[in-house]
Amino acid sequence: DAGVTQSPTHLIKTRGQQVTLRCSPKSGHDTVSWYQQALGQGPQFIFQYYEEEERQRGNFPDRFSGHQFPNYSSELNVNALLLGDSALYLCASSLARQGNSPLHFGNGTRLTVT
Amino acid sequence: DAKTTQPPSMDCAEGRAANLPCNHSTISGNEYVYWYRQIHSQGPQYIIHGLKNNETNEMASLIITEDRKSSTLILPHATLRDTAVYYCIVRPALYNQGGKLIFGQGTELSVKP
Repeated sequence: DAGVTQSPTHLIKTRGQQVTLRCSPKSGHDTVSWYQQALGQGPQFIFQYYEEEERQRGNFPDRFSGHQFPNYSSELNVNALLLGDSALYLCASSLARQGNSPLHFGNGTRLTVT
Repeated sequence: DAKTTQPPSMDCAEGRAANLPCNHSTISGNEYVYWYRQIHSQGPQYIIHGLKNNETNEMASLIITEDRKSSTLILPHATLRDTAVYYCIVRPALYNQGGKLIFGQGTELSVKP
């Protein structure tokens, strides 16, 4: 039973560039959420996707956008990268119809902006 | 802001029980208590969750007080591999609204030989 997989595992970008991160949810899950974790901090919620639509959003600027595909996989896009966007980006999946379905996390993509 | 309060760090001897406390005095009736842990450079790992009854699984036990204002995660026989940051999170059980978890600073548990 495959868990949540994310790609790439590491990425280095230059300030001002754009980046796309990818996530495949755990088998059987239909909802994907994205989190940003700065060094030494707890993860912060970016947004959640279900049925290919953004359903909830945290306090992140419009430079952060996403997409969910019919197979439930998801992408996180960040435009006009800033040095402060350097972080571990985590994807989590869950099952929408079970309100208390635990979120299962991938091991993240480490993004470094120089 | 996180709705939970945890001690920033704790130590535990290998083989002994680790008891991690969490205060969630403003918890609502439809909110569950979840525990996750994060080992360095990995994603958070789900441990256990509960509403009002005590819960046990192969990883841990969760004890929730009768007034639901606090809880304790118990790792019965801690090993060195249990060294991690442990997060206590409250989350509503609402259809399609459960993607947002609010993480606090967590408790950094160090298991020592």
